[in-house]
Amino acid sequence: TQLLEQSPQFLSIQEGENLTVYCNSSSVFSSLQWYRQEPGEGPVLLVTVVTGGEVKKLKRLTFQFGDARKDSSLHITAAQPGDTGLYLCAGVRGEKLTFGTGTRLTIIP
Amino acid sequence: GAVVSQHPSRVICKSGTSVKIECRSLDFQATTMFWYRQFPKQSLMLMATSNEGSKATYEQGVEKDKFLINHASLTLSTLTVTSAHPEDSSFYICSATPRWGSYNEQFFGPGTRLTVL
Repeated sequence: TQLLEQSPQFLSIQEGENLTVYCNSSSVFSSLQWYRQEPGEGPVLLVTVVTGGEVKKLKRLTFQFGDARKDSSLHITAAQPGDTGLYLCAGVRGEKLTFGTGTRLTIIP
Repeated sequence: GAVVSQHPSRVICKSGTSVKIECRSLDFQATTMFWYRQFPKQSLMLMATSNEGSKATYEQGVEKDKFLINHASLTLSTLTVTSAHPEDSSFYICSATPRWGSYNEQFFGPGTRLTVL
């Protein structure tokens, strides 16, 4: 089983603070995706990183793919209550996705 | 574009009955559809991959006779949970890969909450 471990599992911070979520695996993936999922809904794709060492920015969110394509990080600057949700990384191999264990983020106003 | 719907959104059934969940790609044809299961406070686990007109490929540990998948067209896949039991209660999510997109691009449905009493 190819496991993607995310840390932390839970994170609760004040509005305006910065945070980083990590996604680690012992396996190499062709690319890695990050999703956000709201309660009772399906996950929504935020970004796909493909190249080792790649960094992508999406407004206040910065995503990085590790050089060896085994790990990734998501950094949020100046967190807002609207960022609250379950963040999932997913490793891509072929047509399949392997989801990470998830990070439940709560931003306190 | 690229909208995926699921029906029903919620279903409650008695133990021993069968439940069918539909997954539709509303504005595109899907090469492949995937079915995931998500238990409370947990991540998504892939159950099976289905292609139109062929048998589904099930992940290890998923009983194919219990979770019947029918991929009747390029826009519809159904998951039937047969003889459901309380331990089958979960959030079932489908996704679809468009024919025009990259092979690893999946669009997710809103999920179906199954509760077995």
